[in-house]
Amino acid sequence: SQQGEEDPQALSIQEGENATMNCSYKTSINNLQWYRQNSGRGLVHLILIRSNEREKHSGRLRVTLDTSKKSSSLLITASRAADTASYFCATDEGNFNKFYFGSGTKLNVKP
Amino acid sequence: ETGVTQTPRHLVMGMTNKKSLKCEQHLGHNAMYWYKQSAKKPLELMFVYNFKEQTENNSVPSRFSPECPNSSHLFLHLHTLQPEDSALYLCASSQSLDYTDTQYFGPGTRLTVL
Repeated sequence: SQQGEEDPQALSIQEGENATMNCSYKTSINNLQWYRQNSGRGLVHLILIRSNEREKHSGRLRVTLDTSKKSSSLLITASRAADTASYFCATDEGNFNKFYFGSGTKLNVKP
Repeated sequence: ETGVTQTPRHLVMGMTNKKSLKCEQHLGHNAMYWYKQSAKKPLELMFVYNFKEQTENNSVPSRFSPECPNSSHLFLHLHTLQPEDSALYLCASSQSLDYTDTQYFGPGTRLTVL
């Protein structure tokens, strides 16, 4: 069953601007992860946030989690053309053995 | 990106062909996964293996047959596929089945079924 839903489906910004992507999910989770995928390639893990955490940072990435709203956001600050990719959230539906990806947000950063 | 390799990178096959996709991980992980990624659809988990044993079959049609001879290798045998099976097939591995373990993905095999 599909769990994470990213919003927007596509986002186009200028280099240097911030990019914000959102993920909503339906059931309780233990953890939520964000992944990035360059065109036609495999996914690369970006960050994991646990259900008892509200915010996490990694370099230019900032992830927030609001379990009451069942939503998460990924903020990329000072975007670069190399950030152009699709971004996916993945949630576990409370099941430690597997998790589910959304359809992704396609980010285009124009130089 | 060389931690998980997949071959071939591209495959075109007819509906009556039999082919196999191969995945190899050099990370010493115990769990391996097959995913299907179709255009404009969420990534779909197909199969999960842990210590060579299949732990998950996500209602995948029998024309897809996985094989895991050891913890480093994973195959997906394809037989009598349909055009709607055309997709990017991704292999991943993780240290264990614990969700907190990061999954490392291969580059994928782009499959086209004619």
